[in-house]
Amino acid sequence: DAMVIQNPRYQVTQFGKPVTLSCSQTLNHNVMYWYQQKSSQAPKLLFHYYDKDFNNEADTPDNFQSRRPNTSFCFLDIRSPGLGDAAMYLCATSIDRGANQPQHFGDGTRLSIL
Amino acid sequence: KNQVEQSPQSLIILEGKNCTLQCNYTVSPFSNLRWYKQDTGRGPVSLTIMTFSENTKSNGRYTATLDADTKQSSLHITASQLSDSASYICVVPTPNTDKLIFGTGTRLQVFP
Repeated sequence: DAMVIQNPRYQVTQFGKPVTLSCSQTLNHNVMYWYQQKSSQAPKLLFHYYDKDFNNEADTPDNFQSRRPNTSFCFLDIRSPGLGDAAMYLCATSIDRGANQPQHFGDGTRLSIL
Repeated sequence: KNQVEQSPQSLIILEGKNCTLQCNYTVSPFSNLRWYKQDTGRGPVSLTIMTFSENTKSNGRYTATLDADTKQSSLHITASQLSDSASYICVVPTPNTDKLIFGTGTRLQVFP
């Protein structure tokens, strides 16, 4: 059974139209991550939540925001999607922070921009 | 600079054959090294996590090796199956942070 669930699997939006991607987890993990993965590239960390504490990566555009209303759910909001934001967005969780903690990934949401 | 490099970039083999994928890293201090399998259109799935003291670790037909002295790891796939067709990504955590350094992956295609 899937433990990190991302919805929808495919999302199409228009240029400039806000879009929200969702991630839920049944693992009760403290940490949730959002990655952007473009074709044939490695995933790039956008930000993560440690419990309710939000940690943004320095090079993440302001266009990307996140919300974590409770332990189980985390959302990625793209306020004004541009063509360059078309990518696979991966959510991951880990029980705690630190280099020794394995991350569990969802199957991603593939975002297309028209 | 902390980096993870993988080779080859892509690989084609026939079903039933063995193959070995390589990973070199320059991350220091070293904590652990992870191999993930990523099917097309899916999220990465962990195959193995190896710590400094582990030289070899197996997960079914997948066997990972680690040489912490030369900072190299390999992933050996035995008796390949069509379902092994995927990208294999080597990942090393950066020290003292939550960030993972991903290699660019090896894309494996297994043909009948």
